[in-house]
Amino acid sequence: EPEVTQTPSHQVTQMGQEVILRCVPISNHLYFYWYRQILGQKVEFLVSFYNNEISEKSEIFDDQFSVERPDGSNFTLKIRSTKLEDSAMYFCASSGEGKQPQHFGDGTRLSIL
Amino acid sequence: SQKIEQNSEALNIQEGKTATLTCNYTNYSPAYLQWYRQDPGRGPVFLLLIRENEKEKRKERLKVTFDTTLKQSLFHITASQPADSATYLCAPGEDTDKLIFGTGTRLQVFP
Repeated sequence: EPEVTQTPSHQVTQMGQEVILRCVPISNHLYFYWYRQILGQKVEFLVSFYNNEISEKSEIFDDQFSVERPDGSNFTLKIRSTKLEDSAMYFCASSGEGKQPQHFGDGTRLSIL
Repeated sequence: SQKIEQNSEALNIQEGKTATLTCNYTNYSPAYLQWYRQDPGRGPVFLLLIRENEKEKRKERLKVTFDTTLKQSLFHITASQPADSATYLCAPGEDTDKLIFGTGTRLQVFP
């Protein structure tokens, strides 16, 4: 069964550094998402992306965050200047024409030191 | 504000019994509601989607009900197995791209 893949599985970064999290969505999917989950808390929506532009974003997704689909297969989340509170699991998801359901990757654990 | 409530305490049941998990929502008018499963350190896995005009949906040992009057969904796992142990998340959906998840209920099935 096709799946969403995310790399790396664990990223350790110094505060203030830039980080790029990578995702390969399911190949025929059209909608792409990023979510995050701080340890012990619920999964929170960050951003949705369709037709090469952001379709919706949450309050968490401020100017430090950006997303890109640099080619036909990858979808990236960039955090420009990381803060301690950015430490979390970041999940990528994708969905097909009907938008739902969404299919999630297994996440990147981001640790900011 | 919109609120999704799931049993915050873990649900412990014996293998072979039926597990029933509850999802209540307020200040929502969802067109559909989804249930996902999440294992520790893994991403959510889609299980079932039920639409507002459907009262009940089944898939193998899983059954979901959706009562828009009570603003509640019930999620049942029949003949539960230790492999069903996980956190189960509900996500009511409106006409929007994003999923808003509840905090989840942890299910533990004992042999």
